Amino acid sequence: AQSVTQLDSQVPVFEEAPVELRCNYSSSVSVYLFWYVQYPNQGLQLLLKYLSGSTLVKGINGFEAEFNKSQTSFHLRKPSVHISDTAEYFCAVSDFNQGGKLIFGQGTELSVKP
Amino acid sequence: DTAVSQTPKYLVTQMGNDKSIKCEQNLGHDTMYWYKQDSKKFLKIMFSYNNKELIINETVPNRFSPKSPDKAHLNLHINSLELGDSAVYFCASTMGGGNHEQFFGPGTRLTVL
Repeated sequence: AQSVTQLDSQVPVFEEAPVELRCNYSSSVSVYLFWYVQYPNQGLQLLLKYLSGSTLVKGINGFEAEFNKSQTSFHLRKPSVHISDTAEYFCAVSDFNQGGKLIFGQGTELSVKP
Repeated sequence: DTAVSQTPKYLVTQMGNDKSIKCEQNLGHDTMYWYKQDSKKFLKIMFSYNNKELIINETVPNRFSPKSPDKAHLNLHINSLELGDSAVYFCASTMGGGNHEQFFGPGTRLTVL
């Protein structure tokens, strides 16, 4: 069965500092990879996705992620964070053969401090 | 226009009651999902429908019954509510397959007293 592990439950960082949120997945088949963001009391919004092709994926709000097949990782990065980036971030995988359901990691709470 | 909407946003009820949560999407998508987010913010798939047909049922107690009257709507009915059902329930929709973005509703916070 597929699983997703987000290695950090909380990441505190100062404004304008770089950040990396780590995600590892386990799967024996090809998967699609996603990062979603959840602002307080809201639904989830897609940041970026990896389907195939270039392993460096750029998303909204200045975020990017790199797919590393050998390490089964899909880490999310931003070179300079803002207070408004404070939110919960979820890494997820999707398997076409399983009806497209998303398997989520446990989430990483990014807290940006002034 | 809201892409995926859910009603109600908040639902507070007593143990043993029966309640429903409604979801509608105006994106023309053919696949819809229900996810449950627990108090630790962990998200887990519950059900998925494709063109009104159930395609995923993830070992959810049979007190939970999804109903899809048409492909734009996926409702969730819960019988005999228990304390452990307290959570945030999210509806999502997509064009189908696993390679498309899922669009999420704003969530319904269910509190069972």
